[in-house]
Amino acid sequence: DAMVIQNPRYQVTQFGKPVTLSCSQTLNHNVMYWYQQKSSQAPKLLFHYYDKDFNNEADTPDNFQSRRPNTSFCFLDIRSPGLGDAAMYLCATSRLESSYNEQFFGPGTRLTVL
Amino acid sequence: DQQVKQNSPSLSVQEGRISILNCDYTNSMFDYFLWYKKYPAEGPTFLISISSIKDKNEDGRFTVFLNKSAKHLSLHIVPSQPGDSAVYFCAANPGGNEKLTFGTGTRLTIIP
Repeated sequence: DAMVIQNPRYQVTQFGKPVTLSCSQTLNHNVMYWYQQKSSQAPKLLFHYYDKDFNNEADTPDNFQSRRPNTSFCFLDIRSPGLGDAAMYLCATSRLESSYNEQFFGPGTRLTVL
Repeated sequence: DQQVKQNSPSLSVQEGRISILNCDYTNSMFDYFLWYKKYPAEGPTFLISISSIKDKNEDGRFTVFLNKSAKHLSLHIVPSQPGDSAVYFCAANPGGNEKLTFGTGTRLTIIP
């Protein structure tokens, strides 16, 4: 089955210790997204890629970085996690040609910061 | 600035009855609207969509209604089933592959 896979599903890190979350997709979609979602809040877009073209949201902290080495993989790096970065991180993909921008989500990575 | 609003954080409905989830938006540039369903510990999954040229779209038990003049859409689920218990997110975008703007979600609980 074509899908979006996120690893790990649960990540525990210490305050200030860098962490990397990964996302892979078998849908061959050209657009990939990273969202942060906190409890009872809407998913918040951090950045997205049109192919290798990186687009950062204006309010995404510098602490968050991303890499997309190829079409299938995308990584989220949090350089110095703070307590406020504890959240669910969702990866999503879509086809550039889609008017609706229907996005396909992975299961998410729940990040805990101690 | 919350451009997509779901004012009911939660809703409980008896099994077999109709569930109605509401969503309001403020940005008149939005032309495409989507509903997503999310189970605990899973990512959101696409449910149904509608474009601004329509006022209704049906898919099985799910129907979305759009009232452009009121900037309001609703998702109807008939009949409601226990497996429909989830968080439902409304999302919108102006088209042209612009980013989706999500609401905060409504937790639907179907009571057996």
